[in-house]
Amino acid sequence: QKEVEQNSGPLSVPEGAIASLNCTYSDRGSQSFFWYRQYSGKSPELIMSIYSNGDKEDGRFTAQLNKASQYVSLLIRDSQPSDSATYLCAVNPQHGTPLVFGKGTRLSVIA
Amino acid sequence: GAVVSQHPSRVICKSGTSVKIECRSLDFQATTMFWYRQFPKKSLMLMATSNEGSKATYEQGVEKDKFLINHASLTLSTLTVTSAHPEDSSFYICSARPNVGHSADAYNEQFFGPGTRLTVL
Repeated sequence: QKEVEQNSGPLSVPEGAIASLNCTYSDRGSQSFFWYRQYSGKSPELIMSIYSNGDKEDGRFTAQLNKASQYVSLLIRDSQPSDSATYLCAVNPQHGTPLVFGKGTRLSVIA
Repeated sequence: GAVVSQHPSRVICKSGTSVKIECRSLDFQATTMFWYRQFPKKSLMLMATSNEGSKATYEQGVEKDKFLINHASLTLSTLTVTSAHPEDSSFYICSARPNVGHSADAYNEQFFGPGTRLTVL
């Protein structure tokens, strides 16, 4: 069974700090990886996609992928209270199949 | 862009009635859409995969006769909750995967609609 594991949190960081969110996945053949942000009462919003080993940066967000370790992470620099949300890691086992989601990590940025 | 809309955003109905929720991809075509349900403070749960022009694929434990899915065009999928009961009250969210040719296609990106909050009295 394909699984995606995340620490449920809550992860609390002070404003301005770096928030580090981690995710592991079980299917070694997975091809693409995503981070979604979900505010309370809202639907998920895609914030980062990554497909190759290494880092991918977009503004204050950096996604990191290590396929050998089956590990994906999301770093949020200069964390803001508005970043407080649940972050969902999603993995595409193979093209055409539904994404497999982790249960999410709740991030709280304290002003 | 990749925008997905849902209608209605919120619905309250009496027990025993049916409710239809629409999911539209506004600026791309999507042969495949997905329907999720999320209870308060719980994880997303995939209910079914909706395929244009063919039958939906339901996840284990989801009653296909209760949750009717129709994907009649490349931009519209509907979910009908039949004979709704209070335990069906939940947040229903669709997502759509752009077809071949869209920039998001190569990586199986999926874009979510804003969700529909269903309350069954």
